[in-house]
Amino acid sequence: ELKVEQNPLFLSMQEGKNYTIYCNYSTTSDRLYWYRQDPGKSLESLFVLLSNGAVKQEGRLMASLDTKARLSTLHITAAVHDLSATYFCASFPYNTDKLIFGTGTRLQVFP
Amino acid sequence: DVKVTQSSRYLVKRTGEKVFLECVQDMDHENMFWYRQDPGLGLRLIYFSYDVKMKEKGDIPEGYSVSREKKERFSLILESASTNQTSMYLCASSSQGFEAFFGQGTRLTVV
Repeated sequence: ELKVEQNPLFLSMQEGKNYTIYCNYSTTSDRLYWYRQDPGKSLESLFVLLSNGAVKQEGRLMASLDTKARLSTLHITAAVHDLSATYFCASFPYNTDKLIFGTGTRLQVFP
Repeated sequence: DVKVTQSSRYLVKRTGEKVFLECVQDMDHENMFWYRQDPGLGLRLIYFSYDVKMKEKGDIPEGYSVSREKKERFSLILESASTNQTSMYLCASSSQGFEAFFGQGTRLTVV
């Protein structure tokens, strides 16, 4: 059974600083997704990582995937207030289409 | 753009009522999902469906059932609503292991 764990669960960071959110998953998987959720809203797809070593970047966010370590990271560069949201990673266990989510990381960026 | 539409944004139901949550997607996706989201617990998979009339239990199926009579529509049924089913319910669809797209969510309150 696939378990997806994120840390930290809560992150308060100052504008301009860098930080990384970690996503570990427990069984073999070659697909990893990152989503963003604003308060009261639904989930918005951020990144799709489909192979070992995949790296995607969008603005101040960069996501990577290491399937051997069963680890994905979401790196935040020079944080701004607009990045304040909850970020989820999600994965499919190998050979299934059952999408399993982590518990989420709530990010707050303050001046 | 992919559109996933949930029938209600907010619902208030009484304990013991039978509750139907409807979800429709317009992208001919094979897979559809129902999750519930509770603070600190992330998104937990209730059921998913990989084809018409096909379904598979997720992590927390107790107290729920689902129906998929047409490819575009996936219904979540609470046979006898209880207060511990008060939650945000999110529907999603995907095409065979690719990223999932979410509806706007239904906030259900059982009183």
